[in-house]
Amino acid sequence: AQSVTQPDIHITVSEGASLELRCNYSYGATPYLFWYVQSPGQGLQLLLKYFSGDTLVQGIKGFEAEFKRSQSSFNLRKPSVHWSDAAEYFCAVGRSGGGADGLTFGKGTHLIIQP
Amino acid sequence: DTGVSQDPRHKITKRGQNVTFRCDPISEHNRLYWYRQTLGQGPEFLTYFQNEAQLEKSRLLSDRFSAERPKGSFSTLEIQRTEQGDSAMYLCASSLVAETEAFFGQGTRLTVV
Repeated sequence: AQSVTQPDIHITVSEGASLELRCNYSYGATPYLFWYVQSPGQGLQLLLKYFSGDTLVQGIKGFEAEFKRSQSSFNLRKPSVHWSDAAEYFCAVGRSGGGADGLTFGKGTHLIIQP
Repeated sequence: DTGVSQDPRHKITKRGQNVTFRCDPISEHNRLYWYRQTLGQGPEFLTYFQNEAQLEKSRLLSDRFSAERPKGSFSTLEIQRTEQGDSAMYLCASSLVAETEAFFGQGTRLTVV
């Protein structure tokens, strides 16, 4: 069975500082990996995804993520956070490179931005 | 606004009552998905449609739950005989075809009292 672990429930970062959100997955085949962001009162928005090729993927809003097969990880990074990045971030694993059928999400990491 | 629309945004119901939620996907999107998100958890997959055909249902979708997409456009999710454990945010998403990005709606928050 596939699963996703996000070890950090909350993370606090100062505005302008760098950010790394951790994600570990368990999947029996080649994983399709996603990062979504959820702001209060908003739906989930796709930040980036990975399913093959370059293990460093670029996304929207200045985010990037690196796939490390040996560590079963897909950590999300941003070099300099803005106050508007405060939100809930979800890592997910799926069986295809698009759509949303059968995605397994982690529990999320709540990002707090300090001024 | 041409995003995924869900109605109502909030619903409070008494235990044992039936509730129905509606999702209007982005126009011409063939695939429609339902997820449930409880407090402090990530979304959990419930079911999805390709046009009007329901292609998959997770085991989370008990007999009290039913979803339809009669004309391949909007979808409804009905919960019969609601229980307190049904309290959650119910999210709908749609995508043009299988391999394209899915867009999520803002969700319907259900509270069962």
